[in-house]
Amino acid sequence: QQQVKQSPQSLIVQKGGISIINCAYENTAFDYFPWYQQFPGKGPALLIAIRPDVSEKKEGRFTISFNKSAKQFSLHIMDSQPGDSATYFCAAANTGNQFYFGTGTSLTVIP
Amino acid sequence: GAVVSQHPSWVICKSGTSVKIECRSLDFQATTMFWYRQFPKQSLMLMATSNEGSKATYEQGVEKDKFLINHASLTLSTLTVTSAHPEDSSFYICSAPPTGFGEQYFGPGTRLTVT
Repeated sequence: QQQVKQSPQSLIVQKGGISIINCAYENTAFDYFPWYQQFPGKGPALLIAIRPDVSEKKEGRFTISFNKSAKQFSLHIMDSQPGDSATYFCAAANTGNQFYFGTGTSLTVIP
Repeated sequence: GAVVSQHPSWVICKSGTSVKIECRSLDFQATTMFWYRQFPKQSLMLMATSNEGSKATYEQGVEKDKFLINHASLTLSTLTVTSAHPEDSSFYICSAPPTGFGEQYFGPGTRLTVT
């Protein structure tokens, strides 16, 4: 059973545009919601993360929006660049540090 | 920042043999480490939680006897794929939390190919 649902599966954005990826979860025991960027053949790298006590977090061009009541969270990449082309995973973690990943979004930023 | 390494980065083995993959936390101690597998163009699936000094906890559907996990020290966890078969070919990734709950650092992954 997929504990975290992610959409879209793939995304093509023009350079300078905004990339938006959405995730939803069911388990209210999750207490930590990170986003990871992964390049082919590499392990995931943490981009930004949020805890459910805040509704938004911004770091540079990356913003997480979190809706606790809807059990949804999203990643916004502002001013998308070709170097942002990668696969993005959302995840949700419980207090036991067990991470459950979304299915991934392949982002392509066209110059 | 915290660094997690894996060795080897890739390995090819013959069907029926066993392969050991190491995961090390280089600049912090980790009482707990996690093992994931990832098939091409798919998500990371949590396989097991490795606990220093005690038995690993496996996710539902993961064969304990096939994927042996040992967490012998605070900086090293190993995953041994026993009697490997072609369907075990995958990208195996470990992770560790440097400071308790929350932030995880992932290793670079190990590509296993079973012929």
